[in-house]
Amino acid sequence: EVQLLESGGGLLQPGGSLRLSCAASGFTFSSYAMSWVRQAPGKGLEWVSGISGTGSSTYYADSVKGRFTISRDNSKNTLHLQMNSLRDEDTAVYHCAKGGGWWELPVWGQGTPVTVSS
Amino acid sequence: DNQMTQSPSSLSASVGDRVTITCRASQDIRNYLAWYQQKPGKVPNLLIYAASTLQSGVPSRFSGSGSGTDFTLTISSLQPEDVATYYCQKYNSAPLTFGPGTKVDFK
Repeated sequence: EVQLLESGGGLLQPGGSLRLSCAASGFTFSSYAMSWVRQAPGKGLEWVSGISGTGSSTYYADSVKGRFTISRDNSKNTLHLQMNSLRDEDTAVYHCAKGGGWWELPVWGQGTPVTVSS
Repeated sequence: DNQMTQSPSSLSASVGDRVTITCRASQDIRNYLAWYQQKPGKVPNLLIYAASTLQSGVPSRFSGSGSGTDFTLTISSLQPEDVATYYCQKYNSAPLTFGPGTKVDFK
């Protein structure tokens, strides 16, 4: 069974940093692109960042470019999101999601909550 | 520009009704369009990818159509378990923008 388990969320002040992780199992991790998608309370879905299967290509939403860094460790089947210079508007549940044949997202983790507040 | 729009933003229908949701991309995305269903308190579920391909396990009452900039999600006969918010997403290239969502509930 394909599973994604996020961790690392928490409560922190504006300007702080946090590193999210996503442990993947049940599939050949290195063969699939992965994404981070967030959902602020009561709001819609926002794609945050994506990374190719090899990790050689990374992509970001304009709202996080220059502040967030996506990475992956294919030897440990783990995806990461390093979040720096956090802002109130980064408050959301962050989901990792597995790519399908291209960048569609057939599998999602349950998410980890991030709250940025002074 | 990479904007996605959806209409309507919400709708109310009756059991058995045919429901149609539209999604428009600001530029040509060929058929790189996915539809997701998100029930309250749940994780999004992929319904359709490549604009019209039904994801495994998704009921056949869901269908998708379109290409280029204009797309449609249709529920042929609305069922009680279809109460949810529906999102389209472009995935031809980054950023993989989602539409703002369409909330479907019952009259």
